[in-house]
Amino acid sequence: AQSVTQLDSQVPVFEEAPVELRCNYSSSVSVYLFWYVQYPNQGLQLLLKYLSGSTLVESINGFEAEFNKSQTSFHLRKPSVHISDTAEYFCAVSHNAGNMLTFGGGTRLMVKP
Amino acid sequence: DVKVTQSSRYLVKRTGEKVFLECVQDMDHENMFWYRQDPGLGLRLIYFSYDVKMKEKGDIPEGYSVSREKKERFSLILESASTNQTSMYLCASSFRVPYGYTFGSGTRLTVV
Repeated sequence: AQSVTQLDSQVPVFEEAPVELRCNYSSSVSVYLFWYVQYPNQGLQLLLKYLSGSTLVESINGFEAEFNKSQTSFHLRKPSVHISDTAEYFCAVSHNAGNMLTFGGGTRLMVKP
Repeated sequence: DVKVTQSSRYLVKRTGEKVFLECVQDMDHENMFWYRQDPGLGLRLIYFSYDVKMKEKGDIPEGYSVSREKKERFSLILESASTNQTSMYLCASSFRVPYGYTFGSGTRLTVV
């Protein structure tokens, strides 16, 4: 069985500061990894994903995440956040031969002016 | 882009009512899922379906049932709504996991 732990339930940060949202997973087999973002009163949107190849993946709005197999982590980072990045972020993992995603508990990013 | 449409954004129902939440996707996905989202509890899987007329229980199926008569439509049914079913309900679909899930906008259900 696999599980996903998002270590911080809330992360307050000032605008233009860097941020890291942490995600650790447990799985004994190869995995695919995802970050989703949920803006207030909306569904989840795919932000970025790691399937294979380069361990560093990027989104179109400046976020990046790095797959670290030895530490079983997939932390999400952004060098300079905007007010509009305020949202809840979910990390998810799947077994690469399965159909199901397992989600972490979510991290609420609160960007303050 | 794949679209997943949930029929209602906000819904208010009375205790004991039978409630139908509808979800339609337009990209011929085999897999469809229903989650509920509550503060501090993250996403919890209620039911999922890999094919027409096929359903599997998720982590919290009690008090719910589902129907998938057509590939594009996956309905969640609350047989007798209770106040502890007040929640945000999210529908998702996928073709294969590597492409991730596509979520609907959610239905915020309040049972009074």
